[in-house]
Amino acid sequence: GQNIDQPTEMTATEGAIVQINCTYQTSGFNGLFWYQQHAGEAPTFLSYNVLDGLEEKGRFSSFLSRSKGYSYLLLKELQMKDSASYLCAVNTGGFKTIFGAGTRLFVKA
Amino acid sequence: GAGVSQSPSNKVTEKGKDVELRCDPISGHTALYWYRQRLGQGLEFLIYFQGNSAPDKSGLPSDRFSAERTGESVSTLTIQRTQQEDSAVYLCASTDNEQFFGPGTRLTVL
Repeated sequence: GQNIDQPTEMTATEGAIVQINCTYQTSGFNGLFWYQQHAGEAPTFLSYNVLDGLEEKGRFSSFLSRSKGYSYLLLKELQMKDSASYLCAVNTGGFKTIFGAGTRLFVKA
Repeated sequence: GAGVSQSPSNKVTEKGKDVELRCDPISGHTALYWYRQRLGQGLEFLIYFQGNSAPDKSGLPSDRFSAERTGESVSTLTIQRTQQEDSAVYLCASTDNEQFFGPGTRLTVL
């Protein structure tokens, strides 16, 4: 079966660092995506990992370990506008992509 | 166009009516997805089109749901005999690797 797990909710403080974990068990693997979704809006692309290791893009970094079926999204210097849902998604082959349920992040002052 | 567009943005219908939702993907994107997102929940895969291949319909929740796509252009998602549990935001995405999402259609079935 296909399974993507992420925490339901997280809370962090403005200026801090937060790590959102994602574990997956899928029939195929052709890359892992992270998307950000603000309430009432469509998801927007954040990052893509296909090889093991850390990809850094400004305040956001994403890590992948294919052998462990594990990824995390790291957000640094948190801002209030980072309050959103963060969706982990796996490309299982071709263009087929399966999404996790998302992690709702609350950033407090 | 510059991005994925969907219409209508909002649709309110009565239980039992049919609805048709439209998605215009980014030109040149061969793959197109439909997802359903209920309030406060994640994305539920419905159907996926890839070029001229047979679509992957494995996510359609019932035979009341169907979708079509002509070539690599517009797609329509049709829900027949709508039920209240069909109320959700229906998102379309097209892709050349990362997915670009449309703004969604918010469907409310009374």
